[in-house]
Amino acid sequence: AQKITQTQPGMFVQEKEAVTLDCTYDTSDPSYGLFWYKQPSSGEMIFLIYQGSYDQQNATEGRYSLNFQKARKSANLVISASQLGDSAMYFCAMREGRNNRLAFGKGNQVVVIP
Amino acid sequence: DGGITQSPKYLFRKEGQNVTLSCEQNLNHDAMYWYRQDPGQGLRLIYYSQIVNDFQKGDIAEGYSVSREKKESFPLTVTSAQKNPTAFYLCASSIYEGVNQPQHFGDGTRLSIL
Repeated sequence: AQKITQTQPGMFVQEKEAVTLDCTYDTSDPSYGLFWYKQPSSGEMIFLIYQGSYDQQNATEGRYSLNFQKARKSANLVISASQLGDSAMYFCAMREGRNNRLAFGKGNQVVVIP
Repeated sequence: DGGITQSPKYLFRKEGQNVTLSCEQNLNHDAMYWYRQDPGQGLRLIYYSQIVNDFQKGDIAEGYSVSREKKESFPLTVTSAQKNPTAFYLCASSIYEGVNQPQHFGDGTRLSIL
């Protein structure tokens, strides 16, 4: 069974607007961590933000915030005030408490247009 | 600056040839990982190592081999048994324990068949 699901088609976003990227996950482990990575066309994977399963508040990191809905098993990434440099693939990943492996989703493509 | 160095950036393999991808880190991380990424897809785990002289198979280990003789180094060999090796290969490292520890990635190696 797929642990991370990202099903949105590619998205076009106007510069300076906000964009929300969906991620749902599946685990029976009460201890887990959720990560978002950005992959520009050059290929490197850049860590953006982390949310822990026991965290009471949604994570924020600059223009990135995470809309964490534990009961729905969703961890959506919100990018505020989009910039041209935000054009990239975005991957959601999960690390379960019982091991230190990361399970990745298939990614969301975002293109920011001026 | 601490980081992960992958080399070469581009690699070409002839039929029946083994090739080795280099991954070096100076982050003092215990754990290291190798992923394969096919176009438009997420990352799939090939092998990972939590300590020196120990490593475990990931989800797609067939046709690949690794070694971990030093903490800083985790080379990946793509053997002739891997019939479809054309892909983007990413190496990562992380602190071993803790669901809140992100993996940090190198810039990747693009492998193609001649």
